[in-house]
Amino acid sequence: QKEVEQNSGPLSVPEGAIASLNCTYSDRVSQSFFWYRQYSGKSPELIMSIYSNGDKEDGRFTAQLNKASQYVSLLIRDSQPSDSATYLCAVNPSGTYKYIFGTGTRLKVLA
Amino acid sequence: DTAVSQTPKYLVTQMGNDKSIKCEQNLGHDTMYWYKQDSKKFLKIMFSYNNKELIINETVPNRFSPKSPDKAHLNLHINSLELGDSAVYFCASSRTEETQYFGPGTRLLVL
Repeated sequence: QKEVEQNSGPLSVPEGAIASLNCTYSDRVSQSFFWYRQYSGKSPELIMSIYSNGDKEDGRFTAQLNKASQYVSLLIRDSQPSDSATYLCAVNPSGTYKYIFGTGTRLKVLA
Repeated sequence: DTAVSQTPKYLVTQMGNDKSIKCEQNLGHDTMYWYKQDSKKFLKIMFSYNNKELIINETVPNRFSPKSPDKAHLNLHINSLELGDSAVYFCASSRTEETQYFGPGTRLLVL
């Protein structure tokens, strides 16, 4: 079983719609969770970090964490073509510096 | 002001050669990392240094040798390059176990 799993996509959504990206992880003691966006040929850039169960909102982005079910999700409201990228979920098990990345979900927002 | 910088951006070399990649961060972070991203876009940690001390050394061939002369620099030396070493290598830094900031990447092609 992979440590961090994401659907590779592509996930296609029309402009203005909500894009929902999901990630599951296997290590129950994980405490820190991150969503990164990576445009083709560029480096990953942080969108959101979340540490507690529940929702965390930042502009058009909402991260949701459910530690009991071991999943973290990212919602993108009012999706724009500029949101088209690969979204990487990362998990940091407690007490380590060993960030574990998922393989990423490729999002396509259709104009 | 570039937060995390890497040189060179592109590296094309022959099998069997030795090459180095340099990384510098001006964020005042304590921890630096090397990641390898393969052709399938999977981002995998290779090494991590905290205050110049090696804290993570994943199952990487010993042809790869990191070196941290100070907290702001982390270099990666690769001996006897092989075709399978072709990838994008990202340097990153973080303050303790918080959010990581990535450099622009070094695209290595071994012929």
